[in-house]
Amino acid sequence: NAGVTQTPKFQVLKTGQSMTLQCAQDMNHNSMYWYRQDPGMGLRLIYYSASEGTTDKGEVPNGYNVSRLNKREFSLRLESAAPSQTSVYFCASSSNRNTEAFFGQGTRLTVV
Amino acid sequence: RKEVEQDPGPFNVPEGATVAFNCTYSNSASQSFFWYRQDCRKEPKLLMSVYSSGNEDGRFTAQLNRASQYISLLIRDSKLSDSATYLCVVNPDERAGGTSYGKLTFGQGTILTVHP
Repeated sequence: NAGVTQTPKFQVLKTGQSMTLQCAQDMNHNSMYWYRQDPGMGLRLIYYSASEGTTDKGEVPNGYNVSRLNKREFSLRLESAAPSQTSVYFCASSSNRNTEAFFGQGTRLTVV
Repeated sequence: RKEVEQDPGPFNVPEGATVAFNCTYSNSASQSFFWYRQDCRKEPKLLMSVYSSGNEDGRFTAQLNRASQYISLLIRDSKLSDSATYLCVVNPDERAGGTSYGKLTFGQGTILTVHP
């Protein structure tokens, strides 16, 4: 069972570079999320997608864009990376009826 | 006020101890509540859901108090392997008719260290 797969696991970017974090789930879940986790801040929601074709901002959306490509895939794009975006990023998914979320293994991003 | 607040700890307890964590939430319309566990440098994983009547899973007991808007997690007979960060999670976006968008909100986590 793959569950939620995120790529890459690690990334170092220079300020101003762009990149896309990929996420795919094989559990036929409707909802998908992107969170970032910083020390002392817990997990904060960046964007979420309640269903294919819809996306909505979470608590900290600035500097990010997302695409719900299809039901399986939900990508997060940093257009112009900043050091403040250094963090661990988690993708997650859940069904609408059972809202327990399943997480990917995380992406450790460093922006220098 | 944060939507979900937890005491960050850390809690340092000896093996065999009983430890309790509390969590408060601000949205009185919240319907779904969970405790997640996160090991160091790993992803969060569901520990247990929290039901209105309270529920138990082995050494773990979760309680919900809607009137005071808090949930709790009790761990009995602590093991070394219980050392982790425990995350309180609330779904504040329950739509009318029972359809939920599952927009989960996390507390900052409580760090537990169980020592020999």
